[in-house]
Order: sequence, then C-alpha cells, then structure tokens
Amino acid sequence: QAQLLQSGADVKKPGASVRVSCTTSGFTFIDYYIHWVRQAPGQGLEWMGRINLYSGGTIHAPKFQGRITMTRDTSISAAYLDLSRLTSDDTARYFCAGGGFHYTDTFDVWGQGTMVTVSS
Amino acid sequence: DIQMTQSPSSLSASLGDRVTITCQASQDITNFLSWYQQKPGKAPKLLIYGASNLATGVPSRFSGSGSGTDYSFTISSLQPEDVATYYCQQHTSLPLTFGGGTKVEIK
Repeated sequence: QAQLLQSGADVKKPGASVRVSCTTSGFTFIDYYIHWVRQAPGQGLEWMGRINLYSGGTIHAPKFQGRITMTRDTSISAAYLDLSRLTSDDTARYFCAGGGFHYTDTFDVWGQGTMVTVSS
Repeated sequence: DIQMTQSPSSLSASLGDRVTITCQASQDITNFLSWYQQKPGKAPKLLIYGASNLATGVPSRFSGSGSGTDYSFTISSLQPEDVATYYCQQHTSLPLTFGGGTKVEIK
C-alpha cells in the first residue's frame, strides 16, 4: 500500500532554512502529487503547497511566497520541502500527503510528520 | 480564500451516541469537501472525500453529506476509538483550506 516516510525532527535558528524529505513507496510516483501541510503546536492544519510529481510543477499558498521551494527526485521517489527565513512562527509539525488517488487535492495518504523547531 | 467554519469546536458524547459535525464554506464548493480524523500525536487520516464517499477501509458508521456551502459529518454510533479531532477541508479552489477542527471526547 502507499506509504510516505519523512525525515526526522530538526531544530533551526531564526533566519535559517530547513529541508524536510518525504520518501514514497507502494505507488507509481509520477502519477500523483505531494502536498505539504503544517500544524503548529495545539493548532489546526494549514496547507502550504503541492508538487506535481510527473512535471515538477508547483503551486503554493500566497503566504509562503518567496520562502518555499518544493522539489522531487523521481530516481528515488522522494519529495522535498525547503522553507527559508525561518521565524518562531514556523515552529510546527510538517506533513507530506499524497494526492491524486481520488482527487488531486484530497490528502489520501500521509507521512508521519516532521517536527521543526525554530529557536535561538 | 474560501473560509471553512466548522462547529462545534468540541463535543462530549456517550458511547453509542450519534454525533454530527457541520462545516460551512464561505462560497459554494460543489461537493469538493473531505473529512479527516486526527488522533493525538498522529497524522490525519482521510475518512470522506467528495462530500459523501467513504475512503477505503473506513468503517461504515462514518458518513458525510451536504451540498453548496453546507456539509455535515456523522458518526452513527460513537466508539472509544473515535476519540480524535476531526477536520473538514475544501478542495474546489486554491489555496486549500481546512475547518478549525472538532475535538470529540467520550462523556
């Protein structure tokens, strides 16, 4: 079955950048999408953006303009989220989620999440 | 952006009770609505897509309905393993947006 496995927790200083990886298995990588969703401690879910795993085309929420980069490596069926100029407001658990199994923008399968802490 | 207003924010019900959560969109989302369950410390799980379609492996006590701007999610008979926070999500237009969540507890 489809599975997503994410990289481990990370601690960054304000102003730094972070990369979260999402390794996939159990489905044909290029047929789907990977979305990135984050959740601040004790808060709700926030969609950040998605990448088309076939074309590499991306689209993101306006609030992350200039700070977010989503990429993929088809040779190893992995997707990556890069977020730059981190502030304490970026402290959150970051999830990758697979879309396109039913609808492009439904989150059919999820990674376990990666906790990113931004602290000086 | 489409705003999703979910209610109630929390509820407490007895085992076997029927539980209903509602989600109202700020504009017509033409049934492009999904529901997710998130247990503490875990990733969310897709339960319902397209407003009323049950995801694979999801128990039939879960259901969804609605149209236009108003949608609902029902647990027909609350079980101990249903303790979780539930979120609605619209996928008719970008940016994708979620409701604020409903925390379900056992009375």
